[in-house]
Amino acid sequence: EVHLMQTGGGLVQPGGSLRLSCGASGFTFSTYGMAWVRQAPGQGLEWVSAITTSGDYTWYIDSVKGRFTISRDNSKNTLYLQMNSLRVEDTAIYYCAKEGGYARPFDYWGQGTLVTVSS
Amino acid sequence: EIVLTQSPATLSLSPGERATLSCRASQSVSSNLAWYQHRPGHLPRLLIFDASNRAPGIPARFRGSGSGTDFTLTISSLEPEDFAVYYCQQRATGWNFGQGTKVEVK
Repeated sequence: EVHLMQTGGGLVQPGGSLRLSCGASGFTFSTYGMAWVRQAPGQGLEWVSAITTSGDYTWYIDSVKGRFTISRDNSKNTLYLQMNSLRVEDTAIYYCAKEGGYARPFDYWGQGTLVTVSS
Repeated sequence: EIVLTQSPATLSLSPGERATLSCRASQSVSSNLAWYQHRPGHLPRLLIFDASNRAPGIPARFRGSGSGTDFTLTISSLEPEDFAVYYCQQRATGWNFGQGTKVEVK
């Protein structure tokens, strides 16, 4: 059974940093692209970042470029999102998500973790 | 950047009624479009991929159609658990979502 277990998140002041982790099980992690999606309070789903199977290629939404870094450790079956220079508008529930294959939609999601940026 | 516009923003219907949700892309995404359901307190759930294919375990009352720039999700007869927010997502270039359509109880 596919399982994505998220850790990290919490309350941080503007300008601070956090790292989110997403541990995968139940599938061959190294053969699937992964992504982070967030939902701000009262808002819809917003794709944040994605990474290829090997980690060689990464993509970001414009608003987080230069501040967030997605990475993965295939030996540990874990996806990461390093978030620096956090802003109030980054406050959201962050989900990790597994692609269903190359250029496929997300077929499994982590449980979500709340990131609150506030002074 | 491909922009997805969903309509209506809110759909007020009763159980048993038919729901028709629209998703329009700013440029062609061919059939690279998916639909998700997101209920409060639950994880987003993939319903439809490649515009018209139901994901495993998705009931037959959910039907996706369309190609190019215009897509539709139809729920033939609303069950109580179908009242939720629905998002379309394109996978032609990038991963962006539409802003969502809320299906609420009338």
